[in-house]
Amino acid sequence: QKEVEQNSGPLSVPEGAIASLNCTYSDRGSQSFFWYRQYSGKSPELIMFIYSNGDKEDGRFTAQLNKASQYVSLLIRDSQPSDSATYLCAADTGGFKTIFGAGTRLFVKA
Amino acid sequence: DTAVSQTPKYLVTQMGNDKSIKCEQNLGHDTMYWYKQDSKKFLKIMFSYNNKELIINETVPNRFSPKSPDKAHLNLHINSLELGDSAVYFCASSQDAPAGVLDFGPGTRLTVT
Repeated sequence: QKEVEQNSGPLSVPEGAIASLNCTYSDRGSQSFFWYRQYSGKSPELIMFIYSNGDKEDGRFTAQLNKASQYVSLLIRDSQPSDSATYLCAADTGGFKTIFGAGTRLFVKA
Repeated sequence: DTAVSQTPKYLVTQMGNDKSIKCEQNLGHDTMYWYKQDSKKFLKIMFSYNNKELIINETVPNRFSPKSPDKAHLNLHINSLELGDSAVYFCASSQDAPAGVLDFGPGTRLTVT
C-alpha cells in the first residue's frame, strides 16, 4: 500500500515565524511531490511541486526533497495569519495516480 | 472564468437513493479525476479518465459509476446511497506531466441521512 504520511497537527506558530511542515512517503518509485493548501470549506490549491533532491524556493515557500530518506518538507517564511490552513502533501506514484497525506493543520497566531 | 466546475455544490439525500454529480473543465486538460474527502480531511482518489478512457479505478464499491461523455466532462453516479458515502467529492483535472498538478473543482458536499 503506497502511503504519504503527515503529522495532523495542529501546528501553531506566531506571525512572522517560520512554519515547517513535514511528510514522508513509502513508494520509492514516486518521482514528483506536491504541496497543496486547503482553506476550510474550500478546495485544495497547489502551492508548489518538487522532483529533484534539494530545495526549491517560490516566494515565501521552500520545498525540500530528500529521496534517500523519502522525506519532503515545506517551509513557510514570515508566516501570516492568512497562511492558516491545512497543508496536504502528495506524491505522484505514476500512471496519473497522485496520493495525498491526511494533511497538517497550521495556525498562525497574530 | 471557472476552470473546473461541479454541480451541485450541496446534496442532501436519504439512504437508498440514487444521485449524480456533474463536473466540467474548460482548461483543455486530458485527464479528469474524482477524489473523495472524508470528515478527517483525507483525500482519496476514486477514478481517473484520460481522453474518455478509464485509467484508474480504485477499490470503490460498484455502486459508484463514473462516466466521461467527452474529455471536458466527468460525471459520478452513485446508487443506493449509504451513510458512509457522506463526504466531499472533488473533481479535478490535469495535463500530462507532472500529473500531480491538479486543478480542483469547488467540491460537492454529500450528506446521506
